[in-house]
Parts: sequence; C-alpha cells; structure tokens
Amino acid sequence: GNSVTQMEGPVTLSEEAFLTINCTYTATGYPSLFWYVQYPGEGLQLLLKATKADDKGSNKGFEATYRKETTSFHLEKGSVQVSDSAVYFCALSDQSSYDKVIFGPGTSLSVIP
Amino acid sequence: NAGVMQNPRHLVRRRGQEARLRCSPMKGHSHVYWYRQLPEEGLKFMVYLQKENIIDESGMPKERFSAEFPKEGPSILRIQQVVRGDSAAYFCASSPPEGQGEKLFFGSGTQLSVL
Repeated sequence: GNSVTQMEGPVTLSEEAFLTINCTYTATGYPSLFWYVQYPGEGLQLLLKATKADDKGSNKGFEATYRKETTSFHLEKGSVQVSDSAVYFCALSDQSSYDKVIFGPGTSLSVIP
Repeated sequence: NAGVMQNPRHLVRRRGQEARLRCSPMKGHSHVYWYRQLPEEGLKFMVYLQKENIIDESGMPKERFSAEFPKEGPSILRIQQVVRGDSAAYFCASSPPEGQGEKLFFGSGTQLSVL
C-alpha cells in the first residue's frame, strides 16, 4: 500500500542553520505530496504542496521538490529561526482512495538561539 | 469564518469511564476525519465520515470506539470503557466534498488523559 517514510528526529539546529528533512514515499499512480507543520499545542497546518513530478512547493522560506525518480520530497530551508521549532509531517494523497491523505511519522525540529 | 472546532481541549477520565470528543467542521465542509496521535508516534488515521455515513473506518479499533456525524450537530468520537492506552491527542480534520488533497484543515485537538 501507499506509505511515507521520514528521517527520524528529533533534529536540533542552531538559528540560521540549514535544514533538510528527508522524506520518501511509496505509491501507485501519481500522488500529490505535502508537508504539514504542527506547532506546539496546535493542529496540523499545510505548509506546502506539489502535485506533479518536478514541481517545487514553497512557503515561508521552506521548499520541497517532487522527485519521481527517487520517490522523494525532501524539505529544506536555508536559514531556520527559533519560531520554526515544530513537528513536520510529510504526506501524500492516495488517489485510489478519495485522495485520502497518508502521513509520515513526523520529525520534531528544535531550533536554539 | 471559524476553523475546525474541537472540544474539549483537555479531557481527563478514569479507567472504565466513557470519553466523548466533539468536532465541528469548517463552514461548507461536509467531510470529517479523525486521527490519533500517540506520544513518540505519528498521526494515525481512524475514521472518515460524511453526514450520517461512515465512509472509511479502517483505522478504528474494533471494540470500544465509535464515531458518528449526524445530520445536525458536531461529529462525535466516542470511546467506551477507556484504558490508559487510550491516552493520546485526538485530532479532527475536515474537507470540502471534492476530497482531501490540499483542502484538509485540522482542529487543535483534544488531549485525552486516562488515569
């Protein structure tokens, strides 16, 4: 079945460091891919998305490129801030099942001043 | 325009009691999804409902758990005879009729603690 794998956390970075969170997926067909972010005490929010191969999603300085050949959708940010501390979830939509969103296990990020 | 509303934010129950979690979807959304988030684990899908219908309950435990989304009122996730292992954050999400995709919006969750 469809699934999403993410690098394990927690990840701790200093402010202004470069961030990469790896995500790979297994899917039949051509799913849309997403990154969601969960700030402490809140629900998940959509951070960015890409709907087809080679698309780049971007938002708030974060980027991810849909790589069909490597089945990956790695999240990157050039310079993280303390306010980026959160849990990040990679996800895909399962087109064979009402576009059901399937989430990865999440990666916790802590940014220290 | 209110988002997805969940209540209560925190719920404490003793073993054997019942827990009722409520979710009101965003205005215009007719599809509701429940997820469970356990400590150190990811977000696990539980159930997908439309008004008066359960569409996908493949993630629901077979016993003690039930969900409904009546014609009027919020969606309810009900856990009977709670056990300590039910302690978790329960999130509700809603989407418009055309499916989830990027139109999935989450509530702030209910933290259930079982003593």
